Amino acid sequence: NAGVTQTPKFQVLKTGQSMTLQCAQDMNHEYMSWYRQDPGMGLRLIHYSVGAGITDQGEVPNGYNVSRSTTEDFPLRLLSAAPSQTSVYFCASSPPGLAVETQYFGPGTRLLVL
Amino acid sequence: AQTVTQSQPEMSVQEAETVTLSCTYDTSESNYYLFWYKQPPSRQMILVIRQEAYKQQNATENRFSVNFQKAAKSFSLKISDSQLGDTAMYFCAFMKRGSNYKLTFGKGTLLTVNP
Repeated sequence: NAGVTQTPKFQVLKTGQSMTLQCAQDMNHEYMSWYRQDPGMGLRLIHYSVGAGITDQGEVPNGYNVSRSTTEDFPLRLLSAAPSQTSVYFCASSPPGLAVETQYFGPGTRLLVL
Repeated sequence: AQTVTQSQPEMSVQEAETVTLSCTYDTSESNYYLFWYKQPPSRQMILVIRQEAYKQQNATENRFSVNFQKAAKSFSLKISDSQLGDTAMYFCAFMKRGSNYKLTFGKGTLLTVNP
C-alpha cells in the first residue's frame, strides 16, 4: 500500500510549455483533489473529483485541466505554463464511508516556471 | 464563503513545554469539520487531529488536543510535552459537510521547538 504518490518531485518549465503532474493512489479512494501551496498561504483547491468520470473546479482552476478515467489516477495538466503557476502542488484522496472527510496527501510536486 | 484565520505567523516553545496555536473561522454553516494539519520540513501534509462540529467534546490525539468553541468560532490546538519533531508548519482547515470534501486552509503557523 503506497498511499498517495506524486510524480515528478520537482520540475522546471519554461513559460508556454505544457506538462502533466501525475497523482495515483492504491487505496480505492473515490475522492481525489489537487491543491497548490504558495509562500505565506495555505493550500488552495484547484480541481477535485468525486469518482471516475466526474471532475469539478475548485477555488483556483484557471490554467489547469484534469480528467479522471480511473479510480486510481488523477493527473493535473498545465497546457501553457506561466510564472504565476510556480508553486508546490499537492494531490489528496479520501476514503469512502465514515472517514470520507479525512484527506490523505501526497508528498507534493515542486514546480518552477521560468 | 468560509475563511480561516491563523493570527500567529510564528511561535516557539521549549522542549517539554506546552504551546497553544490559535485558529478562528468564519462560516454561516452549522454542519462542518475542522482539522489541524502538520507540515514538517519534508513538506508532507500530515493530519494531526479532526473535530466534528456537532460534537461538543473536544478531540484529543495523544499529546495533541483542541479547544473547540463553536459559538466563538474558535479552534485552537494544544501541544503538550513538546518534542523537537513537532517543529513544523501547522495549518488549520475547515470543511463544510456536503461540500464535496473541499478544504479551506488558514495561512499557517510556523512552530519551532527549541532544545
